[in-house]
Amino acid sequence: DIVMTQSPDSLAVSLGERATIKCKSSQSGLQNSNKKNCLAWYQQKPGQPPRLLIYWASTRESGVPDRFSGSGSGTDFTLTINSLQAEDVAVYYCQQYYSSPLTFGGGTKVEIK
Amino acid sequence: QVQLQQSGPGLVKPSQTLSLTCAISGDSVSSNRAAWNWIRQSPSRGLEWLGRTYYRSKWYLDYAASVKSRISINPDTSKNQFSLHLNSVTPEDTALYYCARDNDISVAATKGGFDYWGQGTLVIVSS
Repeated sequence: DIVMTQSPDSLAVSLGERATIKCKSSQSGLQNSNKKNCLAWYQQKPGQPPRLLIYWASTRESGVPDRFSGSGSGTDFTLTINSLQAEDVAVYYCQQYYSSPLTFGGGTKVEIK
Repeated sequence: QVQLQQSGPGLVKPSQTLSLTCAISGDSVSSNRAAWNWIRQSPSRGLEWLGRTYYRSKWYLDYAASVKSRISINPDTSKNQFSLHLNSVTPEDTALYYCARDNDISVAATKGGFDYWGQGTLVIVSS
């Protein structure tokens, strides 16, 4: 199984500042045959299911604000939230869909400092 | 707009079978691109993918090894829904269960990840 490790477990960021979340894959390379990284990011708020933010490691889902961006390849991926807003307080998860079983990271809780 | 509506009991006795249903609107369980998944979430296990079903000229099933001996995911084309059955449950199976759509799992997929989710069902395993 591919293990996804996120860091940090939690972080507190001031409003308007940047939040950076890391995700590391235990397997080198999540690229499919089309050279796309099979990595997604989700946002989960209390009492709600996860919401897809990013897929292919860097493509924003429709309706996701452009302050959310994803990057990375190989084993290391990053979710960046520029200019943090109050509504961004949530837990964020990465997930690989390169191979079965599909696996998630442990989550990173983002709070306001 | 795709919607997934979950139903099923929130309390199951140990050793019995957990059964949940996910009704699909706005898409088809027989889609030749999407896959239909069950995922659970608990404080101890985090988000755990359990398995999926999808149709590509025939039905395919794909289960996580951790539950493979106990799980069954069944599509129902007449009702456009799919179900989860997990037998011989223990308190460790207590979790929030979600159904979710994977938009396109083909080699030529233009999108990845779980883009639509059910509302979640808290299932408690207790006598």
